[in-house]
Amino acid sequence: DSGVTQTPKHLITATGQRVTLRCSPRSGDLSVYWYQQSLDQGLQFLIQYYNGEERAKGNILERFSAQQFPDLHSELNLSSLELGDSALYFCASSIGGGSPLHFGNGTRLTVT
Amino acid sequence: AQSVTQPDIHITVSEGASLELRCNYSYGATPYLFWYVQSPGQGLQLLLKYFSGDTLVQGIKGFEAEFKRSQSSFNLRKPSVHWSDAAEYFCAVLNSGNTPLVFGKGTRLSVIA
Repeated sequence: DSGVTQTPKHLITATGQRVTLRCSPRSGDLSVYWYQQSLDQGLQFLIQYYNGEERAKGNILERFSAQQFPDLHSELNLSSLELGDSALYFCASSIGGGSPLHFGNGTRLTVT
Repeated sequence: AQSVTQPDIHITVSEGASLELRCNYSYGATPYLFWYVQSPGQGLQLLLKYFSGDTLVQGIKGFEAEFKRSQSSFNLRKPSVHWSDAAEYFCAVLNSGNTPLVFGKGTRLSVIA
């Protein structure tokens, strides 16, 4: 058990809809990262937060947004969903400064 | 930009045989290097990491990896593979700062009897 909790585990929704994925980091970790894993693109970094502030941005679409709350949990919002957004979305947390990332079990999103 | 290459998409080994998974990185300085394993339906679990010092690092589940600066490689090895090692293995690189972890495409390991 990595200590990182992601909910829900599975999500099935229709094109054009909006969903919110939730992540609770390990106790004491200030950094939260979001990754998207798909068969064709592999593991793609989306965005990182550190203690509530956005720290780095990767290939995150404008339709996607995220935030980290004062209690350090994070949410990834995906809107105007398309079929191609179907993927596994992972959250990871770390203390920061080059320390290893610890991953949750992911949310599998299926857009129909 | 830093990148990670795992040349082998899929490897099949017999149970009890030795294993080596290749990883090459592209980065100017010495990065932090990691190997993760992902079992079906699971998240990524950290196997081992290299930050500095001894270039041969030991990890969990009997895995080890060797950092070779001259070859920009960080290959993962295990002397005797068990059927439970069948999974997807990812090499990853991280800058010394707060930059994101960059992953290779992964190598899927199958273990046969």
